[in-house]
Amino acid sequence: QVQLVQSGADVKKPGASVKVSCKASGNSFTSYIIHWVRQAPGQSLEWMGWINAGNGDTKFSQRFQGRVTITSDASAGTAYMELSSLRSEDTAVYYCARGPNGDYSWFDPWGQGTLVTVSS
Amino acid sequence: DIVVTQSPDSLAVSLGERATINCKSSHSVLYSSNNKNYLAWYQQKPGQPPKLLIYWASTRGSGVPDRFSGSGSGTDFTLTINSLQAEDVAVYYCQQHYSTPQTFGQGTKLEIK
Repeated sequence: QVQLVQSGADVKKPGASVKVSCKASGNSFTSYIIHWVRQAPGQSLEWMGWINAGNGDTKFSQRFQGRVTITSDASAGTAYMELSSLRSEDTAVYYCARGPNGDYSWFDPWGQGTLVTVSS
Repeated sequence: DIVVTQSPDSLAVSLGERATINCKSSHSVLYSSNNKNYLAWYQQKPGQPPKLLIYWASTRGSGVPDRFSGSGSGTDFTLTINSLQAEDVAVYYCQQHYSTPQTFGQGTKLEIK
């Protein structure tokens, strides 16, 4: 059973960038599709994008187009999500999750989440 | 984008009773080529990530107890929890996985009466 372990909480100033990592257990990392989903305090869930860890293909929500970058490092078994031009509304818990595919995907399992706080 | 709306926003049910949560999508999520509904359900407890319960509207995820069941087709779906246990207190979300961006409902908070 794959497990996803994320990097720790981070505090950033408005206008800065944040990079969150997601390390997968097991030996099949290049067969994974890793999605990123965020949850603002007290709010629902919002899908951000995915990466195919095998070929590097990515797809993003239009809401984050131009601000989000998702990459992966097969040798480290790790996916990364970088969000730039941060504003206070980006304060949220950011989750990585595996999907059976890119589009048409449910999410299972999830990482433990990374709280990103944007504050001056 | 497909809008997903849950009802009610919250409900309280007695231990051992049945809880029912509804989910409505603004567009059908039934994929005609395989006759599958692309709708998932998650359970989220405080301080934890969501946990997959159901996908394809009615297929239980790995290790999910059979007191959790999903039903519905097209635009209207239901999550049913039979014989409510104390550990079922959580927020439940539905998610359409029919089209990008995948979108979630606003959540339903389930408490014990």
